Amino acid sequence: LAKTTQPISMDSYEGQEVNITCSHNNIATNDYITWYQQFPSQGPRFIIQGYKTKVTNEVASLFIPADRKSSTLSLPRVSLSDTAVYYCLVGDMRGYQKVTFGIGTKLQVIP
Amino acid sequence: GAVVSQHPSRVICKSGTSVKIECRSLDFQATTMFWYRQFPKQSLMLMATSNEGSKATYEQGVEKDKFLINHASLTLSTLTVTSAHPEDSSFYICSAIGTERGYTFGSGTRLTVV
Repeated sequence: LAKTTQPISMDSYEGQEVNITCSHNNIATNDYITWYQQFPSQGPRFIIQGYKTKVTNEVASLFIPADRKSSTLSLPRVSLSDTAVYYCLVGDMRGYQKVTFGIGTKLQVIP
Repeated sequence: GAVVSQHPSRVICKSGTSVKIECRSLDFQATTMFWYRQFPKQSLMLMATSNEGSKATYEQGVEKDKFLINHASLTLSTLTVTSAHPEDSSFYICSAIGTERGYTFGSGTRLTVV
């Protein structure tokens, strides 16, 4: 199972772009990179998933370099409601492989 | 699509009693479900892997006789905390695999044992 490393916490002002980087040096060929958001007392919520290069959806972008040993979640123009813990998960989820959580990144958006 | 329903959202029980938590995949079939436990300000800790029609696989250090898991159908897995004690108080979360995205998580269950 690929181990992930993320910053423990980040602060950002409202309206700014936030980039959270995750390191996963031992990512396997079949592994996908998935980011989740978790609010207190709620289950994690899917944000975005990718395998390589760049993926964009209505809430975020995911940048993955060619070697896939890291990935960056980009949140454009954050608001106070984006204050949450963000987890980077790496694994062969489509292959029903179990995935363990790292500590996640606590993002605090400041007014 | 890809909704996982978890009930109850919160439960308070007396020490020594048992509590059942349900995890349902509403719009897809989930042959594999996972159960996690999360203590305050900590990450999710995987407790067990639940496979439909077979025995659950527990992570090291998780007591299988205390945390009973049943996955009797493709849409339902249950976690029963038997003889609950205050140290079992935690936030329990299930997830299911069955779509392209991989994991879909339930909303969690806050268990308080008094």
